Amino acid sequence: GAGVSQTPSNKVTEKGKYVELRCDPISGHTALYWYRQSLGQGPEFLIYFQGTGAADDSGLPNDRFFAVRPEGSVSTLKIQRTERGDSAMYLCASSPGANTEAFFGQGTRLTVV
Amino acid sequence: QQQVKQSPQSLIVQKGGIPIINCAYENTAFDYFPWYQQFPGKGPALLIAIRPDVSEKKEGRFTISFNKSAKQFSLHIMDSQPGDSATYFCAARALNDYKLSFGAGTTVTVRA
Repeated sequence: GAGVSQTPSNKVTEKGKYVELRCDPISGHTALYWYRQSLGQGPEFLIYFQGTGAADDSGLPNDRFFAVRPEGSVSTLKIQRTERGDSAMYLCASSPGANTEAFFGQGTRLTVV
Repeated sequence: QQQVKQSPQSLIVQKGGIPIINCAYENTAFDYFPWYQQFPGKGPALLIAIRPDVSEKKEGRFTISFNKSAKQFSLHIMDSQPGDSATYFCAARALNDYKLSFGAGTTVTVRA
């Protein structure tokens, strides 16, 4: 059984560009989360999906960040007009339900130059 | 505002030693306390978790001690091995919540 898969593993982009980060959760997991991990810090919550809808997007830092999960499976985190401060590891996790164990992917390392 | 405070930031032990990582929290609504292990370039992997109704939990060489009154919990790695060298994160989650609040992490190095 495959775990949570994130692509790409690494992304280098220029300041001001648009990027999309993809997450394939574990099959059958209804809950999906995005976290952001800055160097030397623990992951910080960004957004939570239950099925197709974003149940909680309170962790998104500003309106340049947006995430979708149109069919209740794959999710895409979208960042517009990237800034150097957006450089971080972006982690996706999924779980069978909201209060159950979350399984993390290997992350996407985003570097904005 | 960090809801879970973790210390130390890093520690080095010899093989067979017992690294101890401590975490403290303020939110009394927290009722689930997992520990994650993260290797460079990988995502965090759940190691062991505890709920406040027990004071200690062991899984293999990993032990969590929990002090509810002090709002503190710690991870002990018994008979540590070089392969245990990683960054360890404590975390906490409230009842019926889905968000994990993570500590800042502790980088453990086990020397052969």
